[in-house]
Amino acid sequence: GQNIDQPTEMTATEGAIVQINCTYQTSGFNGLFWYQQHAGEAPTFLSYNVLDGLEEKGRFSSFLSRSKGYSYLLLKELQMKDSASYLCAVRDWDNYGQNFVFGPGTRLSVLP
Amino acid sequence: DGGITQSPKYLFRKEGQNVTLSCEQNLNHDAMYWYRQDPGQGLRLIYYSQIVNDFQKGDIAEGYSVSREKKESFPLTVTSAQKNPTAFYLCASSVGLAGEQYFGPGTRLTVT
Repeated sequence: GQNIDQPTEMTATEGAIVQINCTYQTSGFNGLFWYQQHAGEAPTFLSYNVLDGLEEKGRFSSFLSRSKGYSYLLLKELQMKDSASYLCAVRDWDNYGQNFVFGPGTRLSVLP
Repeated sequence: DGGITQSPKYLFRKEGQNVTLSCEQNLNHDAMYWYRQDPGQGLRLIYYSQIVNDFQKGDIAEGYSVSREKKESFPLTVTSAQKNPTAFYLCASSVGLAGEQYFGPGTRLTVT
């Protein structure tokens, strides 16, 4: 089966750094995605990891360890507009083909 | 402007009625997806399509049907067999199954 875990909620201060963790269990891992979703809106793509290591994109970085089934999203120099839910999603191949599994999301609140 | 459109943004239906949600993309993407999101939860895959005239069931396909007669269009029908249809429905597309997904603005369906 497939299972993805993320913390439900996190709070951080404007200007700080926050790390959002994601652990997963899949049978045929084929990539991990991070999305940002503001309340009532569609998710927007942030990052993609398929090999181990760190991918950096401006204020956002994402890390993957396939052997540990673990990823994190690092947000630096937090801004108020970063208050949103962050969704970890895994692309998984099984006997029936491809499947995308999204985690429950982590709701981040950035305080002044 | 390339993108994904979903209409309408809000939809109200009486219990027992079938309803069709529209999804159109002009990104020339081969793959398209339908997700359902319930309050405070992550996205769950309903159906996906890799190419025209082909589609596969996701985790929660029961009570839903789709068609893919054109590359640009992937409508979702919520049938009366779906026991709990009230939710936020998101359509997405990607270049292929390997690519990141781009989401439409979503349709919020309320069935009473």
